[in-house]
Parts: sequence; C-alpha cells; structure tokens
Amino acid sequence: AQSVSQHNHHVILSEAASLELGCNYSYGGTVNLFWYVQYPGQHLQLLLKYFSEDPLVKGIKGFEAEFIKSKFSFNLRKPSVQWSDTAEYFCAVAPYGNNRLAFGKGNQVVVIP
Amino acid sequence: EAQVTQNPRYLITVTGKKLTVTCSQNMNHEYMSWYRQDPGLGLRQIYYSMNVEVTDKGDVPEGYKVSRKEKRNFPLILESPSPNQTSLYFCASSPQRQYYGYTFGSGTRLTVV
Repeated sequence: AQSVSQHNHHVILSEAASLELGCNYSYGGTVNLFWYVQYPGQHLQLLLKYFSEDPLVKGIKGFEAEFIKSKFSFNLRKPSVQWSDTAEYFCAVAPYGNNRLAFGKGNQVVVIP
Repeated sequence: EAQVTQNPRYLITVTGKKLTVTCSQNMNHEYMSWYRQDPGLGLRQIYYSMNVEVTDKGDVPEGYKVSRKEKRNFPLILESPSPNQTSLYFCASSPQRQYYGYTFGSGTRLTVV
C-alpha cells in the first residue's frame, strides 16, 4: 500500500513570506498526487493535482507543486503567503487508476499578519 | 449544486448506543469513502465503495460498518460506539476515474462519552 510523509507539521510565517511544504510518498508504480487544504472549521478542498502531465502543476490561490519522480516528492510552494492561507495542508497519493487515496498527517500553517 | 452532504454535523452519544452517520452525493459518483481525522494522524480511511453493493475495508475499519444499497448514499454505522471513536469524520466521493480528486462532505464531529 502507498504511504505519504509530510514534514514540519507546524509552520509559522509572516505575510509575504514564501512557503514550501515537503511531501514524500512510497509506492513503486505510477501515481496520482494531490494537495488538499482545510481552512479552520471547514472540509477539505482540492488545491491541485498531478497525473501524467507537466511535473510543475499550478493550482488555485497561487499555489504550485513540483513532482520529482526520482525523489518520490511532490512539494507544495507559494511565493508570497497571505493571512488567509492559514490552514492545514494535506498531501495525498493514489495509485494510477485506483481511487484509494492515502493522506499524509498534514502541515498546520499559520500566517501572521 | 454538486455536493456531498453529511448528517449530523455534530453528535454526542454514549458508549454502546448504536448510531448512523449519513452521507449522500448528487454527482452520480461511483466511488465513495469514509475517513476519520484525528490530530497528528491526518486522515485515515475507514471503508470505501467502488460502486453499489461493492464495499471494502480501509486502513481502520474496526468498529465500523457501511452499506451501499444506492449509488448516492453511503452511511457509516457504529454498532457499539466507544470513546476511541471520538473523531471528526468525513465522507468523500469521486468519479470512478480519480483524475478529478475527491469531493468532501462538511464533516461530522462525533463525541462518545
């Protein structure tokens, strides 16, 4: 079964700072990769997804992620964060053609105005 | 509006009293799944269903049951709830092909005392 590791579970940064969240997965085959965001008190929403296309994926709200197959990584980035980006971020992976998503433990991001 | 609807949003119950959390989607999705979210553990899959009458265990199925008699509904049943099932529960659905990612419900916060 696939698994996902996220590092730096708690991140605190100031507005306009750059954000990068690491995600590594373990699975021997082709995968689909996702980043979800959960704003305080809300459900998960899809930020961006990767499947068999350009390894640099652009999502909503200025987020992007880069898939590096050789490193089994799918890191999330945003050049300049805003207070409204305060949320928990989850990386998730599913084997290609399979709907079973495995999630990482999440990154709690707090942006200070 | 395309959505996944869970009920109830909040539930406090006593140990051993059977309960059902309902989940319904209006997108004609084949795939549905239940997750529980606990601090520091991320989301863990409880059960999933590939289609009507097809269900299978996820990573943490103990103490839960599900059924999929209709395509739109996927209730989660706790026959004899225990305090360690206190958690935030999410239902999710997706088309059979995972490319679109999951659509999540708003969550059910369950407390078992």
